[in-house]
Amino acid sequence: DVKVTQSSRYLVKRTGEKVFLECVQDMDHENMFWYRQDPGLGLRLIYFSYDVKMKEKGDIPEGYSVSREKKERFSLILESASTNQTSMYLCASSLSAGMDYGYTFGSGTRLTVV
Amino acid sequence: LAKTTQPISMDSYEGQEVNITCSHNNIATNDYITWYQQFPSQGPRFIIQGYKTKVTNEVASLFIPADRKSSTLSLPRVSLSDTAVYYCLVVRTGANNLFFGTGTRLTVIP
Repeated sequence: DVKVTQSSRYLVKRTGEKVFLECVQDMDHENMFWYRQDPGLGLRLIYFSYDVKMKEKGDIPEGYSVSREKKERFSLILESASTNQTSMYLCASSLSAGMDYGYTFGSGTRLTVV
Repeated sequence: LAKTTQPISMDSYEGQEVNITCSHNNIATNDYITWYQQFPSQGPRFIIQGYKTKVTNEVASLFIPADRKSSTLSLPRVSLSDTAVYYCLVVRTGANNLFFGTGTRLTVIP
């Protein structure tokens, strides 16, 4: 089975800190994604990447950046954490943009900014 | 992308068949219908995908009528472990973005 591993399940950071959320997948998938999930709002796409060093903005990229230096690793960066970035962050990967394989999600990182 | 509408919540007793219907009136020719399941404190998990008619796998069945404006996820003989949120998505071939709505929260009652 494809595994998508997020480095932390829970994080607590202070306002203004620079925060790194790491995601690694082990099946050579082309595409990787970062979503955030908030009650009543569902999942919202922050950024995605379809190749090493390539990135595309999703629906809510403000306040975030990403890095994909290696195919298996996709990092989400909060340049200066704010309390409205308290959320569950979900990383996902897919083999291609095709529909035959679905998307595999990690278990999520629950980030609290205080 | 076509917007989807599904019930916010459903309750069912153990052992019953559960059908969750999703409407997607503006579905396009090159769109697929995909369902995901999400347990608390976990990421969503792909369940099933279809284009038209019926698709069945070891977890669920997906029924899509000829006009494709709706779809029904069918879970046979649910158990307590099927309590989760179920998301219906319309996905365009080649698209890189999945749009998750708020899903249907299914609660299975003993």
